[in-house]
Amino acid sequence: EDKVVQSPLSLVVHEGDTVTLNCSYEVTNFRSLLWYKQEKKAPTFLFMLTSSGIEKKSGRLSSILDKKELFSILNITATQTGDSAVYLCAVEARDDKIIFGKGTRLHILP
Amino acid sequence: DAGVIQSPRHEVTEMGQEVTLRCKPISGHNSLFWYRQTMMRGLELLIYFNNNVPIDDSGMPEDRFSAKMPNASFSTLKIQPSEPRDSAVYFCASRYPGDSPLHFGNGTRLTVT
Repeated sequence: EDKVVQSPLSLVVHEGDTVTLNCSYEVTNFRSLLWYKQEKKAPTFLFMLTSSGIEKKSGRLSSILDKKELFSILNITATQTGDSAVYLCAVEARDDKIIFGKGTRLHILP
Repeated sequence: DAGVIQSPRHEVTEMGQEVTLRCKPISGHNSLFWYRQTMMRGLELLIYFNNNVPIDDSGMPEDRFSAKMPNASFSTLKIQPSEPRDSAVYFCASRYPGDSPLHFGNGTRLTVT
């Protein structure tokens, strides 16, 4: 059965800290891995990763994929209170199926 | 670009009633996904369509749930009869063909009393 597991489930840090969020997966015919940020409403897209070892970066956020070990990490440096959200990892598998992990709830203390 | 449009935003209904959720995908997107989100189970895939054809409905919890996509610009998710355990936020998402990200609607918050 295809699955996506995220850790930790929740995390509380102080503003300015660096955080690393983890995502491991087991899927048939892996195609891509996606990261989303969810605040109060709909998840919003952050990154799509298809190749191992190539870091994707957007401001203070970055992500990398390891297709051999079947995991990805999302790093956020110099965290701000606006980074507080649920971060979701998703994997696209066979037949274009996209399944999500349960998310990591991140809370940044001022 | 108007984004994915879902209606209604909120739905409160009594157990046993029929509920219909609606979704208009982004124009040009050929894949449409329905998800259900709860605190306990996270974001669960219910069903998805490619070019208006249902590809995988194995996530639909039971026969009370059904989904249709009569054309490229409209989809419905129906629950009949509804039960309190169906209470959740239901998201619709769409995307272009190939390796492209999902774009989500703002969801429908369903409460069944």
